[in-house]
Amino acid sequence: KQEVTQIPAALSVPEGENLVLNCSFTDSAIYNLQWFRQDPGKGLTSLLLIQSSQREQTSGRLNASLDKSSGRSTLYIAASQPGDSATYLCSEAAGNKLTFGGGTRVLVKP
Amino acid sequence: DTGVSQDPRHKITKRGQNVTFRCDPISEHNRLYWYRQTLGQGPEFLTYFQNEAQLEKSRLLSDRFSAERPKGSFSTLEIQRTEQGDSAMYLCASSQTGGDGKNIQYFGAGTRLSVL
Repeated sequence: KQEVTQIPAALSVPEGENLVLNCSFTDSAIYNLQWFRQDPGKGLTSLLLIQSSQREQTSGRLNASLDKSSGRSTLYIAASQPGDSATYLCSEAAGNKLTFGGGTRVLVKP
Repeated sequence: DTGVSQDPRHKITKRGQNVTFRCDPISEHNRLYWYRQTLGQGPEFLTYFQNEAQLEKSRLLSDRFSAERPKGSFSTLEIQRTEQGDSAMYLCASSQTGGDGKNIQYFGAGTRLSVL
């Protein structure tokens, strides 16, 4: 059974600081790894998807890395802004469904 | 294209009642997924369709739950004889399988169910 873990569960940083969010997974035979953002009471917004053959993906201030051998992915958000406050979820796809971690709730203080 | 649409956004019901949720996927997406998310947790997979065929169901989907996708377009998720433990956000996602192998899932805003 795939398991995805995100630590810490919550994180608070001052505006401008870089954010580092961690995700670990047990199934090294993942198909891809996807990071999502979720605002309170809302659905999920896809941020980045890394295929199993890739090591990283970048979009603007966001960069996600994937290390299959260690079962880890890291999401970096550069120069955080108050608008980055949200819950960030990572998910692995090993088949047709996504298995999610519990999320990291981020608060960026102005 | 307005994205994945779910209706209703909120549903309050009494224990024992039946409820039905609807999901309209992004047009031309051949796959549709249902997930359930409880407070403070990540979403958990319930079931998925490829076109009109229901190809996988989680053990979380008890016999009180049924999902359909007639004609391979919109989908409905029905919960019969609701229990307080069914209170959660029900999320729908859709994707299009393609040659790039990415299968990115796009999520709707969800239906929040409260069972009193």
